[in-house]
Amino acid sequence: QQPVQSPQAVILREGEDAVINCSSSKALYSVHWYRQKHGEAPVFLMILLKGGEQKGHEKISASFNEKKQQSSLYLTASQLSYSGTYFCGTAEGPQGGSEKLVFGKGTKLTVNP
Amino acid sequence: NAGVTQTPKFQVLKTGQSMTLQCAQDMNHEYMSWYRQDPGMGLRLIHYSVGAGITDQGEVPNGYNVSRSTTEDFPLRLLSAAPSQTSVYFCASSYSEAPGYGYTFGSGTRLTVV
Repeated sequence: QQPVQSPQAVILREGEDAVINCSSSKALYSVHWYRQKHGEAPVFLMILLKGGEQKGHEKISASFNEKKQQSSLYLTASQLSYSGTYFCGTAEGPQGGSEKLVFGKGTKLTVNP
Repeated sequence: NAGVTQTPKFQVLKTGQSMTLQCAQDMNHEYMSWYRQDPGMGLRLIHYSVGAGITDQGEVPNGYNVSRSTTEDFPLRLLSAAPSQTSVYFCASSYSEAPGYGYTFGSGTRLTVV
């Protein structure tokens, strides 16, 4: 079952912040975040494992609440290069890992000058 | 180190034809997966594999077959193409023993069925 992402689309001005949410109805082993630019393949940003950890990548960070099966991606002081579609992927880990990764429908982020 | 290589990049099929989308990785990744991407639907998992000889169904497996005879290769077969299979197909791979490791995607195959 696909995780649910919100919002579907976000439009920002350079320097503004955004939050993208991802939720699942199933217990999760891990949550992945990817960014895809138009006409290109998705690119891995970060992974969060169960344990409620928070991770960061430049000005992009994320949190994972395993009890609520929710994750959020935080983009601060957005740059033009942040534009793209962001996907969360959730792994239930039937064999204890990320072998079956299911993605949400994506959030399209547009950063304008 | 080429990463994940998909061939062909573009393909047009007639309804009822069969074909195989190729995927190869040179990173010794155990996990490999096939996704299809359609507008507004995100990435949907077709089949996945945890190692040579082991495959399983994803969310949308109907109309597709896979096999994994080697660690490097994971071909996707369309037995009888239908217009509903028009899509962009991505192959992805990852390590199994590195919990903090994400998936590397191939550049995709754009398939049109007429």
